[in-house]
Amino acid sequence: AQSVTQLDSHVSVSEGTPVLLRCNYSSSYSPSLFWYVQHPNKGLQLLLKYTSAATLVKGINGFEAEFKKSETSFHLTKPSAHMSDAAEYFCVVTFSGGYNKLIFGAGTRLAVHP
Amino acid sequence: DAGVIQSPRHEVTEMGQEVTLRCKPISGHNSLFWYRQTMMRGLELLIYFNNNVPIDDSGMPEDRFSAKMPNASFSTLKIQPSEPRDSAVYFCATGTSGDPDTQYFGPGTRLTVL
Repeated sequence: AQSVTQLDSHVSVSEGTPVLLRCNYSSSYSPSLFWYVQHPNKGLQLLLKYTSAATLVKGINGFEAEFKKSETSFHLTKPSAHMSDAAEYFCVVTFSGGYNKLIFGAGTRLAVHP
Repeated sequence: DAGVIQSPRHEVTEMGQEVTLRCKPISGHNSLFWYRQTMMRGLELLIYFNNNVPIDDSGMPEDRFSAKMPNASFSTLKIQPSEPRDSAVYFCATGTSGDPDTQYFGPGTRLTVL
């Protein structure tokens, strides 16, 4: 069965420092993987997605993620955090059960301090 | 593009009352998903429609919940009778068959059942 584990429920960084949000997945085949972001009182927005093309995926707002099959990881990074990056981030895997059902991780809340 | 529209944005009701949540998908999108988000259980898929037909309702918690999609422009999620444990944020998301991995989320309806 497909699943994702987000290793940190909360991450706190200072503005201007790097961001690392960790995600490991479990899948019996090559999955499609995503990161979504949810700002307070807002819906979810797609940050980036991996669908078996380049292993390094670039997304919006300077975020990127690297698919590492050997480590079953899909960590999200950004070189320099901005105050506006404070939000909840969800790692997501698709489940091929007749349609591309999304399986969400528990989420990582990112706090950015001045 | 107005995006996915959900109404109401907030709903407060008393236990036992009927609640109807509404969703207007992005024009041209033929897939529609209803999700529920709680602190305890995270994001859960309730039901998936494709071309107005329910494809997967395995996430609907019990008979008190029902969802309809009478046409391509409108869907409802109804809870009757409502209970305090139904308090959550309910999201509608839509997508297209041509890009099945990507879903566009509405802003959500925050439901509080007293």
